[in-house]
Amino acid sequence: KAGVTQTPRYLIKTRGQQVTLSCSPISGHRSVSWYQQTPGQGLQFLFEYFSETQRNKGNFPGRFSGRQFSNSRSEMNVSTLELGDSALYLCASSLDGREQYFGPGTRLTVT
Amino acid sequence: GIQVEQSPPDLILQEGANSTLRCNFSDSVNNLQWFHQNPWGQLINLFYIPSGTKQNGRLSATTVATERYSLLYISSSQTTDSGVYFCAVSRFTGTASKLTFGTGTRLQVTL
Repeated sequence: KAGVTQTPRYLIKTRGQQVTLSCSPISGHRSVSWYQQTPGQGLQFLFEYFSETQRNKGNFPGRFSGRQFSNSRSEMNVSTLELGDSALYLCASSLDGREQYFGPGTRLTVT
Repeated sequence: GIQVEQSPPDLILQEGANSTLRCNFSDSVNNLQWFHQNPWGQLINLFYIPSGTKQNGRLSATTVATERYSLLYISSSQTTDSGVYFCAVSRFTGTASKLTFGTGTRLQVTL
């Protein structure tokens, strides 16, 4: 069974731009979560989607948003990028929200 | 929210040595996972262990949920074991899931 895939793997953007990251979960998994990892803050929860509905949200500004499609694929969007948004963004999928499996991540650099 | 503390923060071992990594959490949880983050950033699932003991090759883990801690044992360490080990917990409610991560233990195994 294929694992969680994330695209793109690397991205360089300029302050003020917006970015969209994509995540395809393990086949059959309906829960997709997003996490941000930075050296200063560690791994932090962004949001979780289940059956196209956001059912949990972390403490991030409204510039961070996401959605989930009917095939369980998910996208997250960051608008008006700031230097502090440079991070590794990790997506995780889960059958029911318990055990989570992570993708390889998207490394975003904002200049 | 739940606080997760991992110890030690850094560990240097010679190849062949054994080690114990600890994870303490501040509140009751019903989900606990151990991950190994590889040099490219991907989180590799080691154990899903909300309670009890599990073993997988040279690795084993024990969670004592009533006392709010979990231990990860690495025996006969190899250089490929190097990396950062994370403990993550959640209080899964059946409707939402959010993993809270510890700050990790950075392990370096030398020849």
